[in-house]
Amino acid sequence: KQEVTQIPAALSVPEGENLVLNCSFTDSAIYNLQWFRQDPGKGLTSLLLIQSSQREQTSGRLNASLDKSSGRSTLYIAASQPGDSATYLCAVGGGGSEKLVFGKGTKLTVNP
Amino acid sequence: DAGVIQSPRHEVTEMGQEVTLRCKPISGHDYLFWYRQTMMRGLELLIYFNNNVPIDDSGMPEDRFSAKMPNASFSNLKIQPSEPRDSAVYFCASSLLAGDDGDTQYFGPGTRLTVL
Repeated sequence: KQEVTQIPAALSVPEGENLVLNCSFTDSAIYNLQWFRQDPGKGLTSLLLIQSSQREQTSGRLNASLDKSSGRSTLYIAASQPGDSATYLCAVGGGGSEKLVFGKGTKLTVNP
Repeated sequence: DAGVIQSPRHEVTEMGQEVTLRCKPISGHDYLFWYRQTMMRGLELLIYFNNNVPIDDSGMPEDRFSAKMPNASFSNLKIQPSEPRDSAVYFCASSLLAGDDGDTQYFGPGTRLTVL
């Protein structure tokens, strides 16, 4: 059974800092990995999707990497801003299923 | 497109009552997913459909839960009878592809259910 872990559960940083969020998964037989953002009381917004054949994806100040063999992904946020404050969730697809398995998220607070 | 639409946004009911949650996926998407989010368990997949057909309902917690997708533009999730432990935020999501060609899932705003 696929298990997804995100560490830390919460992170607080000053504005302008570069930061890394971590995601690990137990079954390396995945189709893809997605990073989502969730604002309080809102639904999830997809940030980046990495297919199993890819190593990384970039969108603006965000860069996500994938290392299937070690079961790890990182989300790098450059020059963080208060507007980046949200919960970031990692989700893994595959392992013989079309389901996404989610981590419990990292709650990020960027202080002005 | 307006995105995934869910209704109601908030539902408060008493234990034992029937609850119906509704979802309209993004037009043209072939996959529809129902999730439940709680503080304790995080986000869990309940059931998903491909071309209106239920593919995997192994995440449905009990027989009290049922979901249907009568056509490509509508799905509902019913809980009968509801219990306080069903209190959670229920999300609907849709995507164009899944599996090997996995695609982005687009989430609705969710329905916050409170069972008293």
